[in-house]
Amino acid sequence: GDSVTQMEGPVTLSEEAFLTINCTYTATGYPSLFWYVQYPGEGLQLLLKATKADDKGSNKGFEATYRKETTSFHLEKGSVQVSDSAVYFCALSNDYKLSFGAGTTVTVRA
Amino acid sequence: DTAVSQTPKYLVTQMGNDKSIKCEQNLGHDTMYWYKQDSKKFLKIMFSYNNKELIINETVPNRFSPKSPDKAHLNLHINSLELGDSAVYFCASSQASGRAYEQYFGPGTRLTVT
Repeated sequence: GDSVTQMEGPVTLSEEAFLTINCTYTATGYPSLFWYVQYPGEGLQLLLKATKADDKGSNKGFEATYRKETTSFHLEKGSVQVSDSAVYFCALSNDYKLSFGAGTTVTVRA
Repeated sequence: DTAVSQTPKYLVTQMGNDKSIKCEQNLGHDTMYWYKQDSKKFLKIMFSYNNKELIINETVPNRFSPKSPDKAHLNLHINSLELGDSAVYFCASSQASGRAYEQYFGPGTRLTVT
């Protein structure tokens, strides 16, 4: 079945540091890939998505590129802020449902 | 206006009780979902409805019964609650079913079974 593996956290960074969260997937066919973010005490919000190979999703300074050859969708941000502290989920959709990775908790210190 | 809303936000109850969680979306979407998030933040799909028709029913105990009275609502009823049912339950919706559609999530209902 479909599955998503993302790097384990927690990740702690200083403000303005570079953030990378690795995500790889296993799926048949051509899934769509997503990054969702969950701020403390809230539901999930879509951060970015890509629906085909080589697509780059971007939003709020975050970027991720759909790499079919390496089955990856790594999330990057060049300069994080304290407000980026949250749990980040990589997810794929191959039919009617989302399959999520385990989530990576990111804490940014001032 | 809240796009996807859930009630209640917190639910504390005793083992053996029956409880319901309600979900409403005002986005005009056709498809709605229930997810369970455990204490380690792991998210798993439970059910999905498209135009009031059940399209996903993962391996969930039959104590859990979803009901979709119309496209805008998807409620979750849980019978004979157990300690292991303690979790955060998220409702979500998408414009249609299919791999390309992003899902919009509600704020979650934290269920605690004592």
